[in-house]
Amino acid sequence: EIVMTQAPATLSVSPGERAILSCRASQNVNSNLAWYQQKPGQAPRLLIYGASTRATGIPARFSGSGSGTEFTLTISSLQSEDFAVYYCQQYDDWPLFGPGTTVDIK
Amino acid sequence: EVQLVESGGALVQPGGSLGLSCVVSGFSFSTSAMSWVRQAPGKGLEWVSVISANGGTTKEADSVKGRFTISRDNSKNTLYLQMNSLRVDDTAVYYCAKRGSNNWYDWYFDLWGRGTLVAVSS
Repeated sequence: EIVMTQAPATLSVSPGERAILSCRASQNVNSNLAWYQQKPGQAPRLLIYGASTRATGIPARFSGSGSGTEFTLTISSLQSEDFAVYYCQQYDDWPLFGPGTTVDIK
Repeated sequence: EVQLVESGGALVQPGGSLGLSCVVSGFSFSTSAMSWVRQAPGKGLEWVSVISANGGTTKEADSVKGRFTISRDNSKNTLYLQMNSLRVDDTAVYYCAKRGSNNWYDWYFDLWGRGTLVAVSS
């Protein structure tokens, strides 16, 4: 059974700074990894799939990398609208989400 | 405009039943595989069930197997989730979501509804 972990649980960042979020799978999920953003009271929004492909309409400041068991979501210059919870999700097996990383204002 | 609108959430007693619906517009529902994903209050996301575009193939998470049934009516652009033998730990916001890939094994979700709250409590 695959286990997904995310680090850190909370990341405090100032607007304009870069944020780097990590996601780890307990076994190889190849590049079958997606990232979502969720704001309070809203549905999740797909940011990245295939570990590194931005979804339609997602700004270029969001980038994904990694394969196998180690993945990273980078937000190059945080905007006010980027403060949210970010989830990774593997789909190499049936869908499984990580516990999330909260990005808040420093 | 793309819309996925869930309904049917309610307060129900443990052991009870409830049916959820998700009406879709703005994309080709009949050619889209769909899913239900839930989120307990203050918690993370949990996949519940998936269904193929023609409804012929379904899969449920172990946590709901034998209790929840996913179905669809392509003539009505509607996805359903029938929930029986509800438990307190089924309390969550239930989202319907569209699969983002055309590959049956690539279950990531590119479109989501706003969700409907199911509360199971005595």
